[in-house]
Amino acid sequence: DAMVIQNPRYQVTQFGKPVTLSCSQTLNHNVMYWYQQKSSQAPKLLFHYYDKDFNNEADTPDNFQSRRPNTSFCFLDIRSPGLGDAAMYLCATSRDAGVSEKLFFGSGTQLSVL
Amino acid sequence: DQQVKQNSPSLSVQEGRISILNCDYTNSMFDYFLWYKKYPAEGPTFLISISSIKDKNEDGRFTVFLNKSAKHLSLHIVPSQPGDSAVYFCAARFTGRRALTFGSGTRLQVQP
Repeated sequence: DAMVIQNPRYQVTQFGKPVTLSCSQTLNHNVMYWYQQKSSQAPKLLFHYYDKDFNNEADTPDNFQSRRPNTSFCFLDIRSPGLGDAAMYLCATSRDAGVSEKLFFGSGTQLSVL
Repeated sequence: DQQVKQNSPSLSVQEGRISILNCDYTNSMFDYFLWYKKYPAEGPTFLISISSIKDKNEDGRFTVFLNKSAKHLSLHIVPSQPGDSAVYFCAARFTGRRALTFGSGTRLQVQP
């Protein structure tokens, strides 16, 4: 089955130690997104790629970076994690076919910062 | 400032009864709305959607209603089943923006 896969499912890092979360997709979708979801809050968009074109949200901290080396993979890099960065990180994909296009999500990576 | 709001964090209903989940939005530019369902340890999955040119969309037990003048939409599940127990997210998009803006979710518990 075509899908969006996130690894690892749980990630523990230390305060200030760089961490990378990964996402892969077999849907061959143009667009890949990273959302951050803190407990009981709405998923918040950090940024997205349309093919290799990177689109950052205005309020995404500089501490968060992303890479998309090819269509299938996208990485979220947190350069110096703080306690406030502990959250669920959701990767999603979509085609770029108009306003009615759905997003397909991975299962997420739960990040803990000690 | 939250543009999509789900003011009820949780809802409990009896099996077989109707579940009504509500969502309000503030951005009048939104022209497409979606509902996602999320089980524990899984990512959100698409459930049903509606365009702003419609006021109702139905898919089996699920119906979404849109009231543009009130900037309000609702998801009706009839009849509710225990397997419907999950967190439901309302999401919105406007033409020209790829990403979805989400609400904070409503946890639905359907009691057998």
